[in-house]
Amino acid sequence: DTGVSQDPRHKITKRGQNVTFRCDPISEHNRLYWYRQTLGQGPEFLTYFQNEAQLEKSRLLSDRFSAERPKGSFSTLEIQRTEQGDSAMYLCASSLPGAAEQYFGPGTRLTVT
Amino acid sequence: QKEVEQNSGPLSVPEGAIASLNCTYSDRGSQSFFWYRQYSGKSPELIMFIYSNGDKEDGRFTAQLNKASQYVSLLIRDSQPSDSATYLCAVTDDKIIFGKGTRLHILP
Repeated sequence: DTGVSQDPRHKITKRGQNVTFRCDPISEHNRLYWYRQTLGQGPEFLTYFQNEAQLEKSRLLSDRFSAERPKGSFSTLEIQRTEQGDSAMYLCASSLPGAAEQYFGPGTRLTVT
Repeated sequence: QKEVEQNSGPLSVPEGAIASLNCTYSDRGSQSFFWYRQYSGKSPELIMFIYSNGDKEDGRFTAQLNKASQYVSLLIRDSQPSDSATYLCAVTDDKIIFGKGTRLHILP
């Protein structure tokens, strides 16, 4: 395992549909983070997990968004009833216990039509 | 609201020259500071991190931190065309707060 992986890399969906993204962190990284990035902006924090516990959620994360990390390994981010404003790159990152440095996966680019 | 400010650029630097990228942050209690490089359409790549006041060098890259002035900078020596990218300054207190990034263009 050489890095964080995300699936799918691209997703095109119609407004109103539900989508789910997956992130597999680097082995032994107990913290996992989700960010969203739109064109011309830096990534914005959405939520993070330490092992299976979701420790913080951004106010950006509306009720249509939910994230899970049931066994403390991979995580999923689901968006229900997608809107055009949800179009963005969704980034996952992970970090070692006690380390501040976060390493990003390749991202999932979501386009809502 | 914690903020990280960067000049959006573009910053144009001749090949072989030193590129200087700057960043200020609002939270005086911030402890960890990062520079990420992001190529168009790709995800951010960690290139430098610094925790203490002063300079930290890694190859052609030098990160500089001044906590009293709440200022972080990144110097890239002997700039190469492959350094053309957006550079994101970031500050962390568990989650990372990113600036909007500075676009750097190295002129061949």
